[in-house]
Amino acid sequence: SYELTQPPSVSVSLGQTASITCSGDKLGDKYVCWYQQKPGQSPVLVIYQDNKRPSGIPERFSGSTSGNTATLTISGTQAMDEADYHCQAWDSTTVFGGGTKLTVL
Amino acid sequence: QITLKESGPTLVKPTQTLTLTCTLSGFSLTTTGVGVGWIRQPPGKALEWLALIYWDDDKRYSPSLKSRLTITKDTSKNQVVLTMANMDPVDTATYYCAHRQTGTFVFDIWGQGTMVTVSS
Repeated sequence: SYELTQPPSVSVSLGQTASITCSGDKLGDKYVCWYQQKPGQSPVLVIYQDNKRPSGIPERFSGSTSGNTATLTISGTQAMDEADYHCQAWDSTTVFGGGTKLTVL
Repeated sequence: QITLKESGPTLVKPTQTLTLTCTLSGFSLTTTGVGVGWIRQPPGKALEWLALIYWDDDKRYSPSLKSRLTITKDTSKNQVVLTMANMDPVDTATYYCAHRQTGTFVFDIWGQGTMVTVSS
């Protein structure tokens, strides 16, 4: 079965750029999306089709893919961005990554 | 405004069958292209996709859970129902239903989730 691998945790200083990766076999050939989930809340879509932002998602959120890795980038990270981030792709079935806890220092 | 709301038991016993209902608002499963999925998340763990149903009654299931899952829709009530047979303590999780973004495999709007505990 297809698997997506994320680092369990990432730390970033306030105002700096955070990068969260998601790895999978030939991931660059698939569309990837990203969800933000704050404690006790439901996931919120922040990036879809690799690099598109839904309405209402700040421009500081961006996405990219290359080879086997997709990356969610948060520029000028704010305290409110501290959350878990989940990647998702489709490979004959819907697959989620293990999630990454982003800590803003 | 699209919203989804999950409902069902908070506690089930091992071996029992879980039935969860997702009530849809602001959209209809009679509209071409619409899909609704179920995703779960054990406490402190990753999201896991379970099932998806489309407006045309096409159904898709997680391969690892397919034998235990059934997804149906009731268009008269604008609801989607998920049943999971033979519940086990490892199935303890928050269960979410979500709207599938038309034409993609993305879940763009999620319900609030419902926590289900499996215990005797």
